Amino acid sequence: DVKVTQSSRYLVKRTGEKVFLECVQDMDHENMFWYRQDPGLGLRLIYFSYDVKMKEKGDIPEGYSVSREKKERFSLILESASTNQTSMYLCASSIRGLRYSNQPQHFGDGTRLSIL
Amino acid sequence: EDQVTQSPEALRLQEGESSSLNCSYTVSGLRGLFWYRQDPGKGPEFLFTLYSAGEEKEKERLKATLTKKESFLHITAPKPEDSATYLCAVKVHQGAQKLVFGQGTRLTINP
Repeated sequence: DVKVTQSSRYLVKRTGEKVFLECVQDMDHENMFWYRQDPGLGLRLIYFSYDVKMKEKGDIPEGYSVSREKKERFSLILESASTNQTSMYLCASSIRGLRYSNQPQHFGDGTRLSIL
Repeated sequence: EDQVTQSPEALRLQEGESSSLNCSYTVSGLRGLFWYRQDPGKGPEFLFTLYSAGEEKEKERLKATLTKKESFLHITAPKPEDSATYLCAVKVHQGAQKLVFGQGTRLTINP
């Protein structure tokens, strides 16, 4: 089974802090993703990566950056945390597969981040 | 703009009472539709992928179907352990991995 592990289940930080969220997958997947999930808004894509050192902006990248130095690890960085970044953050990974295939994304259990 | 709408937002059923959840989409080009189950405090768990209109997939009490404009998740004789939020997502661009998610249907099965 695919295992996507997020380093923290719960995290409390203060406004203005630099926050790091870590995600590791054990299935040698090429693609990795960061989402946030908010009530009434569903899952929204922040950033994704097709390969090591590659990154693409999602729908809501403002205030975030990412790092992918190793294939199995994808980090989300909140440069200067603000209260509107309080949310559930979900990491996912998927195999690249053939160009016309539809490989599902597999999710971690999330990090519930509170910014005070 | 690509949109995915799920209905109803919430559904309560008695154990054994069959029903269906709806996922309708307006996208530029459907390249795959995915169903996920999400339990409280957990990440979404993959259930099914559907590729083309007319396709059906089954797993235990769940059956997913796809038309050109919507997908249904049919739940037959549900049990309390089927209680969860069910999410629908579509892939809209060939080769890209971006998914557009609906807001989910929160399903509660009472014993």
